[in-house]
Amino acid sequence: AQTVTQSQPEMSVQEAETVTLSCTYDTSESDYYLFWYKQPPSRQMILVIRQEAYKQQNATENRFSVNFQKAAKSFSLKISDSQLGDAAMYFCASVGGTSYGKLTFGQGTILTVHP
Amino acid sequence: DTGVSQDPRHKITKRGQNVTFRCDPISEHNRLYWYRQTLGQGPEFLTYFQNEAQLEKSRLLSDRFSAERPKGSFSTLEIQRTEQGDSAMYLCASSLGPGLNTDTQYFGPGTRLTVL
Repeated sequence: AQTVTQSQPEMSVQEAETVTLSCTYDTSESDYYLFWYKQPPSRQMILVIRQEAYKQQNATENRFSVNFQKAAKSFSLKISDSQLGDAAMYFCASVGGTSYGKLTFGQGTILTVHP
Repeated sequence: DTGVSQDPRHKITKRGQNVTFRCDPISEHNRLYWYRQTLGQGPEFLTYFQNEAQLEKSRLLSDRFSAERPKGSFSTLEIQRTEQGDSAMYLCASSLGPGLNTDTQYFGPGTRLTVL
C-alpha cells in the first residue's frame, strides 16, 4: 500500500515570489511514479509535473520543479515567479507497484497568491 | 484531443433515488478510472477499467455502486438507493496504459452529487 502526506494545509505567496509545497510518501515498491496535480476552485484537476522514481534528475516544467529525495521519501514542488493563476489546491500523488493503476493522493495544500 | 468529459456536471437527488453518471475518456485511452472527492480532501480511488474489463474495485465501493464500460469506450457509474453520505464530487480519469510510463492520468471536470 502507498501513503502520501501533505503537512501544509495552506500556503501563501506574493506574486512573482517562490514557494515550496511539501509532500512525503511511503511505499514498499521499487518502481513508482510521483505527481503533482493542481485543482483550481470549481475547475478540473490538471497535471502539473511528473517524476519517475528511477530517475535521479529532478523533473522541471517551466516555472515548476520538484525536489525528489528518494531516500527520505520526499517530493516537494517549487513554484517560481508565482502568478495569480497559480492559486489552487495542489495534490501530491503516487502510483506504482501492486497499486499500479490507481493514484494515491495526499490531503492537498491550498495555495493563495497575493498580488 | 478533446479531453475527458463527464455528464452531468451537477446532480441533485433525493435520498433513496438511483443516479447514473457518464464518463467519456480521451480517445484511444485504454484505462478509465473513477475517484470520489469530498470537500477539502484528496480524491479516493473507486475502481478502474482496462478496456472493458474492471480490474480493481476499492472497498469504498459498496454494493450500491456499480460501474461498467461495456465497449471499452465510455463508462457509467451508478449509485442505487443514494444516501446523504454519497454526496461528493465523482471524478473520472483516463490514461493510455498499461505500463507506468503510459499511465499518467488525465481528469475530467467531475460530477458533483448532492443527496438531499
